[in-house]
Amino acid sequence: GAGVSQSPRYKVAKRGQDVALRCDPISGHVSLFWYQQALGQGPEFLTYFQNEAQLDKSGLPSDRFFAERPEGSVSTLKIQRTQQEDSAVYLCASSPRRGGAGQETQYFGPGTRLLVL
Amino acid sequence: QQPVQSPQAVILREGEDAVINCSSSKALYSVHWYRQKHGEAPVFLMILLKGGEQKGHEKISASFNEKKQQSSLYLTASQLSYSGTYFCGTESSGAGSYQLTFGKGTKLSVIP
Repeated sequence: GAGVSQSPRYKVAKRGQDVALRCDPISGHVSLFWYQQALGQGPEFLTYFQNEAQLDKSGLPSDRFFAERPEGSVSTLKIQRTQQEDSAVYLCASSPRRGGAGQETQYFGPGTRLLVL
Repeated sequence: QQPVQSPQAVILREGEDAVINCSSSKALYSVHWYRQKHGEAPVFLMILLKGGEQKGHEKISASFNEKKQQSSLYLTASQLSYSGTYFCGTESSGAGSYQLTFGKGTKLSVIP
């Protein structure tokens, strides 16, 4: 079956531009996560949705970062007034798990590589 | 806090074995292992839940020592396809949203 897909795969933005990154999770997966991965580092948590509810946004680095999942499926991560330090790979992951104890893992998409010039 | 992975990098010849360790300072509910090749998505390998279980399939297995908050990934008779960066992602007990906290990764290179 289809996995997690993300678009665009690559994005070059001039400093100060706004960008929108899209994530299509695996069909039926309740939970959706956004992570940021800097070069040579592991993914770092940004935010978490359960269906359309954003239950945790503690990892968002500033108020320039905004995420939504209005219908509980596709999610968009928006970055306003991009800065050079925003350059990274943005990974989306989905899971069938609803939270609490469970054995399900997270399945990652290929990511969007953002370069801010 | 980020789990600590060791070693940072390892080079193996085909057929050799390797162990990758992951250590956390927090009480853990689960450990998830992934392999990522350059420019690709992290690929799930296995999940270990608290209880000290060991899991594996074929030549890749892992253990989880809940008391020590440590997990190890065992790669035996390595193949060229094993090359990539291995990440452990930890889920802390009572974390709420169960996001994963990842280590910095272990880069594994398998050469002929």
